This record gives sequence, structure tokens and C-alpha cells, in this order.
Amino acid sequence: AQKITQTQPGMFVQEKEAVTLDCTYDTSDPSYGLFWYKQPSSGEMIFLIYQGSYDQQNATEGRYSLNFQKARKSANLVISASQLGDSAMYFCAMRDYGGSQGNLIFGKGTKLSVKP
Amino acid sequence: DAMVIQNPRYQVTQFGKPVTLSCSQTLNHNVMYWYQQKSSQAPKLLFHYYDKDFNNEADTPDNFQSRRPNTSFCFLDIRSPGLGDAAMYLCATSRDPIQTQYFGPGTRLLVL
Repeated sequence: AQKITQTQPGMFVQEKEAVTLDCTYDTSDPSYGLFWYKQPSSGEMIFLIYQGSYDQQNATEGRYSLNFQKARKSANLVISASQLGDSAMYFCAMRDYGGSQGNLIFGKGTKLSVKP
Repeated sequence: DAMVIQNPRYQVTQFGKPVTLSCSQTLNHNVMYWYQQKSSQAPKLLFHYYDKDFNNEADTPDNFQSRRPNTSFCFLDIRSPGLGDAAMYLCATSRDPIQTQYFGPGTRLLVL
């Protein structure tokens, strides 16, 4: 069965520092996608970054990069130069492409707090 | 400009009184999803529409229904809300089932 694990319920980071949010996954399907979403206290889920299982290079989007280690089944999110506005919940999610219409499976999330 | 719009942002209803939440999108995406998210939990998929095809998750209670009258709009109907249905309800869209999902701002439902 598919599973996403985020082992860090909460993280603190100093403003302007980099931070890594951990995510490990489990699937038997060779074709899948990994996503990171940010959820501020307002509630909206904001798409940040995507990594496909066959992508050769790690995904990057501005200050966000995804450290994809396929053999370890990990897809950690790296946020560089943290800003106060980065304080939010962060969810890792996976979708496999062989199963039931590719539903997203979410982890339990990591609450990131950026300190000034 | 907002691409996935949810109305209202906050909804208060009474125990047992039917309530409808609304979602609209300007992305012309084929798939629309409804998620329920309770406090400090991950979103849980209730159902989705792929065009006009309705797909219900196996553990979604019968109390929850959905309608999609056209490509742009999708509604979530809760026939008899209970206290346990108080949650954030998130609507999302994607071009097709394997593409990235984009979420609306959510509707926070309070049941009194």
C-alpha cells in the first residue's frame, strides 16, 4: 500500500537560514509523482514543487528544491534563505499512476516556524 | 487572479440543517476534487469528478453528496451535518487525474 511519512511534526529555523523538511514514501508502482504543498494558517493549500519518479534531475522552483533519493525512497524539501512568510504547515504527497485514478496520498505534515 | 474559488470562506450551520459549499474554477480543468481536512490532520479525499464521471471514495459517508452542473462549478452538499463534520473543506482541480492539483482557499464549516 502507498504511504507517505513525515517524521517531523514541527521544525524551527532562523530567518535567512536553509531548512530541510523530511519525507519518505512507499509504493510498489515504478511510476509515481511526488508533490509538496504549503498550507498557511489561512488554510489554502499552495502547490510548491513536483518530482516525477523518472526525472533524472532534482526539481527546483525558486527557493524550493526537492532532494530526491529514489533508492532511499525519500523526497525532502529544501527551503533556502527562509523568510518569515514561510511559516506554515508543509505537506508531502504522492500519486502513483498505476492505481485507482492516481489519487493523492498526503503525509501528516510538518509545521515550520521561522524565527526573526 | 484567483483560479479556484470557494464560497463561502466560513460557513456556520446547525446540527442536521443541510448545507451546500461551492467551488468554481477558471482553469478549465477536467477534474474537480473535494477534500475534508480536520484540525491538525492531512486532507482526506471525499470524491472527485472527472468531467461528468463521479468517483466516490469508499469510506465517504452517504451524508456527503456532490454535483457538477458544468465544467466550472462543483458543489458539496452535506445533507444532515453532525458535529463531527466541522472541518475545512478544500476544493481542488487538475487538468487530468495525473496532473498537479491546484487548491482553492477552503471553506471552514462550523456545526452548532
